[in-house]
Amino acid sequence: AQSVTQLGSHVSVSEGALVLLRCNYSSSVPPYLFWYVQYPNQGLQLLLKYTSAATLVKGINGFEAEFKKSETSFHLTKPSAHMSDAAEYFCAVRRDSSYKLIFGSGTRLLVRP
Amino acid sequence: DSGVTQTPKHLITATGQRVTLRCSPRSGDLSVYWYQQSLDQGLQFLIQYYNGEERAKGNILERFSAQQFPDLHSELNLSSLELGDSALYFCASSASGTTEGYTFGSGTRLTVV
Repeated sequence: AQSVTQLGSHVSVSEGALVLLRCNYSSSVPPYLFWYVQYPNQGLQLLLKYTSAATLVKGINGFEAEFKKSETSFHLTKPSAHMSDAAEYFCAVRRDSSYKLIFGSGTRLLVRP
Repeated sequence: DSGVTQTPKHLITATGQRVTLRCSPRSGDLSVYWYQQSLDQGLQFLIQYYNGEERAKGNILERFSAQQFPDLHSELNLSSLELGDSALYFCASSASGTTEGYTFGSGTRLTVV
């Protein structure tokens, strides 16, 4: 069964520092992978997606993620954190049969001034 | 505005009661998904409908049911409510046969007292 594991329920960085949020997937076939962001009291917003076209995927708000098959990883990065990046981030993998997305447990990003 | 509309935004009700949550998908999207988000369970997939038919079922309790109508809006019915049903309920939609991921609504916060 496909699943994703997000390492670290909370990540704290200083403003201007590198953001690295980890996601590992488990899949028997090449997956479709997604990162979503959830701001307080809001729904989830798609940040970026991997659909096998390119291993380095650029998303909105300066985020990007690299698909590494050898490591079964799809980590999310941003070179320089902004205060506005404080939110919860979810990694998700798609199940082919029904287009159902399976979400990780989420990582809350805190940005310190 | 994501294009997915959920009503109501907030709902407070007593144990044992029944409520209906409503979702209008983004224009052109045929699939509707329901998710429950709680602090202890994270984002749990409940059910998916595609063009009026149930496509996939997740961790949905027997007390819960859903349907998708000919105009593609969907309703999630929760009955015999328990305190543990208090959560955020999200609806998401997607076009058929796409790798675009979902578009989420802003959710309905259900509080059972």
